[in-house]
Amino acid sequence: KQEVTQIPAALSVPEGENLVLNCSFTDSAIYNLQWFRQDPGKGLTSLLLIQSSQREQTSGRLNASLDKSSGRSTLYIAASQPGDSATYLCAVSGDYKLSFGAGTTVTVRA
Amino acid sequence: EAGVAQSPRYKIIEKRQSVAFWCNPISGHATLYWYQQILGQGPKLLIQFQNNGVVDDSQLPKDRFSAERLKGVDSTLKIQPAKLEDSAVYLCASTSGTGPYEQYFGPGTRLTVT
Repeated sequence: KQEVTQIPAALSVPEGENLVLNCSFTDSAIYNLQWFRQDPGKGLTSLLLIQSSQREQTSGRLNASLDKSSGRSTLYIAASQPGDSATYLCAVSGDYKLSFGAGTTVTVRA
Repeated sequence: EAGVAQSPRYKIIEKRQSVAFWCNPISGHATLYWYQQILGQGPKLLIQFQNNGVVDDSQLPKDRFSAERLKGVDSTLKIQPAKLEDSAVYLCASTSGTGPYEQYFGPGTRLTVT
């Protein structure tokens, strides 16, 4: 059974600092990995998807890396802004089903 | 392109009552998922449909939860009777039938059972 862990559970940084969010998973036989953002009381917004054959994906200030062999992914957010405050969830896909971590709640202080 | 639609957005019921949630996926998406997200946890898959057939319902508490997807489009999830521990956000997601199988989520329904 796939287990996904995100550490730390919460993170607080001053505006402008770069964010590094970590995700680890136990079974390296994955199809893809998605990073999501969840605002309080809202659904999930897909940020980046990395296919198993890829090493990284970039979108604007966001960059996600994937190391299947070690079961790790990292989401980098450059030059954080207060609007980046949210919970970030990592999910890995096998057999078209997603297994989620519990998320990292980020607070960016102005 | 319209996103995944869900209703209602919020629901408060008493334990032992019944409740139903509705989801309309992105047009043309063959696969539909229902997830349960308890506060402070990641979403947990309850059931997966491919068109109008069930692919995986191994984590659906079948004694009280049921779901259907008639005509392979929209879907309903029902809880009867509800328990206090069913308080959660119920998320619907869909994906097309071709790779890379990115899942798109609706806004969710927040259920409170008192």
